Amino acid sequence: DSGVTQTPKHLITATGQRVTLRCSPRSGDLSVYWYQQSLDQGLQFLIQYYNGEERAKGNILERFSAQQFPDLHSELNLSSLELGDSALYFCASSAHLGGEETQYFGPGTRLLVL
Amino acid sequence: LAKTTQPISMDSYEGQEVNITCSHNNIATNDYITWYQQFPSQGPRFIIQGYKTKVTNEVASLFIPADRKSSTLSLPRVSLSDTAVYYCLVGDGGSSASKIIFGSGTRLSIRP
Repeated sequence: DSGVTQTPKHLITATGQRVTLRCSPRSGDLSVYWYQQSLDQGLQFLIQYYNGEERAKGNILERFSAQQFPDLHSELNLSSLELGDSALYFCASSAHLGGEETQYFGPGTRLLVL
Repeated sequence: LAKTTQPISMDSYEGQEVNITCSHNNIATNDYITWYQQFPSQGPRFIIQGYKTKVTNEVASLFIPADRKSSTLSLPRVSLSDTAVYYCLVGDGGSSASKIIFGSGTRLSIRP
């Protein structure tokens, strides 16, 4: 158990809909990362937040947005969903910033868009 | 940004030592090299991290040559449970607004 929690574990929805994925980082971790992993694909970095502020942006679509709240939990919002958005979405956290920081991953949310 | 290149897949047998090499020709001065292990439908798990030379922990060793343009993850005496995808990640932990690239990983299959 990494200490990172994600809800829901599974999510089934229809095209055009909007969903919110939630992540609670390890206690004390200030940095949260979001990743997308499609079937048999590698991890695609989406976005990172540190202590409530956006720090780095990867291949995140304009239909997707995220935020980190004062209690440090984070939400990833996916809107106007398409079939291709079906994937595993992982959240990870690390204590601070810096090259030596390692990321602790949550169990993921499996999203299926029908 | 430092892109990584790894073999797509590797096969080995129980009890053997497995070495997985990752190329990162454009590694920056502030970049660390981190390896993660991922089982199907689970989040990646940290294995080992290094900056230069050699690092060893209870799970693996990481060899980094002086030019830091590559690194080798060494798994001693593998077992069936080591069958997983292994990712090499090069980055500065997000201390600057840099992209984080995991790459496609190496799918390691261990046979009895």
